[in-house]
Amino acid sequence: GENVEQHPSTLSVQEGDSAVIKCTYSDSASNYFPWYKQELGKRPQLIIDIRSNVGEKKDQRIAVTLNKTAKHFSLHITETQPEDSAVYFCAAVASGGSYIPTFGRGTSLIVHP
Amino acid sequence: DTEVTQTPKHLVMGMTNKKSLKCEQHMGHRAMYWYKQKAKKPPELMFVYSYEKLSINESVPSRFSPECPNSSLLNLHLHALQPEDSALYLCASSRLAGDETQYFGPGTRLLVL
Repeated sequence: GENVEQHPSTLSVQEGDSAVIKCTYSDSASNYFPWYKQELGKRPQLIIDIRSNVGEKKDQRIAVTLNKTAKHFSLHITETQPEDSAVYFCAAVASGGSYIPTFGRGTSLIVHP
Repeated sequence: DTEVTQTPKHLVMGMTNKKSLKCEQHMGHRAMYWYKQKAKKPPELMFVYSYEKLSINESVPSRFSPECPNSSLLNLHLHALQPEDSALYLCASSRLAGDETQYFGPGTRLLVL
């Protein structure tokens, strides 16, 4: 089955800095990679996603890159703000399989004002 | 309506009680999911319904019983739970079961005494 590793488990940055969270996956059949942000006590919310036919996708301060050859994908947040503080989960989904998303263990991002 | 709703928000139950969690979406999605999430951990998939039929049961104990009365509703019936079942129970939906974006409900925070 799929295995998704996510690093770091905790990331502390100063407001205005950039933050990068990295994930690796094992199943070459995975072709859909969503990122979720979960604030304390709230639901996971999709913030960006990428499919395997694209190498990079950007939405304002958030970008995701995908390297299919190396089986890794990363979330980049620029100009971080205190409201970016949350737990971020990456996930990988394989089409043609059971469609069960495999989540990474999560990264707790803390943005200090 | 672009939201998944869940009731109740909080639930406290004894180990001999029977209770039900409810989930509703009106986005026309044909796949619905139940997840269990412990603190600081990623969501763990429990069940997947596709076109109102149970398609995936991730070896969940029989004290959890899902039900999909129609394409908009998903229930999770609880009976004889254990204290270790205390968690946040999240419902999600997606257009189809597959490499599709999942939208999460706010969750039901369950405490089993």
